[in-house]
Amino acid sequence: GDSVTQMEGPVTLSEEAFLTINCTYTATGYPSLFWYVQYPGEGLQLLLKATKADDKGSNKGFEATYRKETTSFHLEKGSVQVSDSAVYFCALTTGGSQGNLIFGKGTKLSVKP
Amino acid sequence: GAGVSQSPSNKVTEKGKDVELRCDPISGHTALYWYRQSLGQGLEFLIYFQGNSAPDKSGLPSDRFSAERTGGSVSTLTIQRTQQEDSAVYLCASSLGRRGNTIYFGEGSWLTVV
Repeated sequence: GDSVTQMEGPVTLSEEAFLTINCTYTATGYPSLFWYVQYPGEGLQLLLKATKADDKGSNKGFEATYRKETTSFHLEKGSVQVSDSAVYFCALTTGGSQGNLIFGKGTKLSVKP
Repeated sequence: GAGVSQSPSNKVTEKGKDVELRCDPISGHTALYWYRQSLGQGLEFLIYFQGNSAPDKSGLPSDRFSAERTGGSVSTLTIQRTQQEDSAVYLCASSLGRRGNTIYFGEGSWLTVV
């Protein structure tokens, strides 16, 4: 069945470091891909999304490119801040209708000053 | 409000009791989802409603769990004879129901079974 695999955390970085969180997927059809973020004590928020191959989603300095050839949607940011500390979830939906949103297990990021 | 609204935000219940969790989706959203997030775990899909179609119940963990959606809007997740392993945050989400549409989450209902 459809699934999402993301790198296990926790990930600890210093402020201004480069961030990559890997995400790969297995899906039938043509999935839409998402990154959600959960800040401490808050609900899930959509960070960015891409709905077709080669699309790049971007928001708040984060980027991810939908790579069909490698079935990947890695999250990157050039210079992280302490305020980026959160849990990041990669997710997908498939099919002509929305279907359910399948999540990876989440990656906890801690950014130290 | 404009977002997905869930109630109660916190619920403590005794083992064996039944609980009901409510979700008000964003107005006009035809798709509604329930997820469960246990401490230190990822998000577990429970059930999905899309318009008037039969719901996708494939994620419900046991027959103690059920959900309904009345009038295509408000949804109630019911857990019967609660067990301690049911303790988790129950998240509701909604969307316009078309591929690629953003799915918006509520703040969740934190359930503790003692």
